[in-house]
Amino acid sequence: EPEVTQTPSHQVTQMGQEVILRCVPISNHLYFYWYRQILGQKVEFLVSFYNNEISEKSEIFDDQFSVERPDGSNFTLKIRSTKLEDSAMYFCASSPAPNSPLHFGNGTRLTVT
Amino acid sequence: KQEVTQIPAALSVPEGENLVLNCSFTDSAIYNLQWFRQDPGKGLTSLLLIQSSQREQTSGRLNASLDKSSGRSTLYIAASQPGDSATYLCAEENSGNTPLVFGKGTRLSVIA
Repeated sequence: EPEVTQTPSHQVTQMGQEVILRCVPISNHLYFYWYRQILGQKVEFLVSFYNNEISEKSEIFDDQFSVERPDGSNFTLKIRSTKLEDSAMYFCASSPAPNSPLHFGNGTRLTVT
Repeated sequence: KQEVTQIPAALSVPEGENLVLNCSFTDSAIYNLQWFRQDPGKGLTSLLLIQSSQREQTSGRLNASLDKSSGRSTLYIAASQPGDSATYLCAEENSGNTPLVFGKGTRLSVIA
């Protein structure tokens, strides 16, 4: 069964550094998402992306965050200058259509020191 | 603001028991509700999606119900197995293609 893949599985970075989290959504899916989960807390929405543009973003997704679909397969989340509070598990998800179940990747655990 | 609550936070049952996980939501205009499973260190696996026009969905030993009027959903697991041990999350969607709002999850342990 096709799946969403995320790399790396774990990223450690120093405060102030830029990180890029990578995702390969399922190939025929059109809607892409980033969610995050701080340890012990709820899964929170960051951003949704469709037709090469952001559809919706949360208040968490400030100017330090950006997303890109540089080619036909990858979907990336960039954090420009990481803060300690950005430490979390970041999940990429995709779906073929609205109102379809989301397919999540296994996540990237980001640790900011 | 939409809120999703799951009680209990953790549940431990002996193998073979039938069990119910609860989810409550404040959004009366819910569009759909999804149940996910999360294994430690892994992503979320979609189990069931219930449209607002539906009352329940079934998949194997799992049955999810939705009661919009009371703002509640339940996930029923029949004949539980140790392999069912995981965290179960519910998430509601306010309208098509809007962000999912998640509960904190119920951590289930099925003891052999």
